[in-house]
Amino acid sequence: SQTIHQWPATLVQPVGSPLSLECTVEGTSNPNLYWYRQAAGRGLQLLFYSVGIGQISSEVPQNLSASRPQDRQFILSSKKLLLSDSGFYLCAWSVMTGKGLSNIGELFFGEGSRLTVL
Amino acid sequence: EDQVTQSPEALRLQEGESSSLNCSYTVSGLRGLFWYRQDPGKGPEFLFTLYSAGEEKEKKRLKATLTKKESFLHITAPKPEDSATYLCAVQSTDSWGKFQFGAGTQVVVTP
Repeated sequence: SQTIHQWPATLVQPVGSPLSLECTVEGTSNPNLYWYRQAAGRGLQLLFYSVGIGQISSEVPQNLSASRPQDRQFILSSKKLLLSDSGFYLCAWSVMTGKGLSNIGELFFGEGSRLTVL
Repeated sequence: EDQVTQSPEALRLQEGESSSLNCSYTVSGLRGLFWYRQDPGKGPEFLFTLYSAGEEKEKKRLKATLTKKESFLHITAPKPEDSATYLCAVQSTDSWGKFQFGAGTQVVVTP
């Protein structure tokens, strides 16, 4: 069965410090990978998604970046954190389904990483 | 641009008191509509996928339905363990690979 691991679970960082959140998926190959951010009481905001190694699409211009060094590994980074980067970060994966594998199936989420920037 | 609106924002129910959550969406073409359950401090848990108007799916006390403009999540005879935030998301034909989420409905079921 497929599993997704995301770490660290909790992070408290000073403004201006770097960030690295890591996500790995097991039990599937060539997944689509996503990073979302969830602010308190708000919906999920898509930050990045990737359909393959080295293929990253950015949805929100900001000081965050993402990389996919391996098929099932997705990393969210920042060189200098801002106060506004605080939030709950979620990694997710999906696979292609349907006839000719032309559809994207449902998302499966990790347990999340709570980031507080002070 | 794809839009997803969930109502109400919050719902307080007595145990056994059935109710419905609404998810209204605007997309150029619907690939799929997804329901998730999220417990505090956890990642969302997948519940259902609906692809076409008229489709229905059930799991325990939950039933999801879909029309051309909205989806409903019916909770029948809820129990306290059904307390959670329920999220709706859509995938449109114009935004391949991307899921647009609503803000969610927070449900509290009291004994």
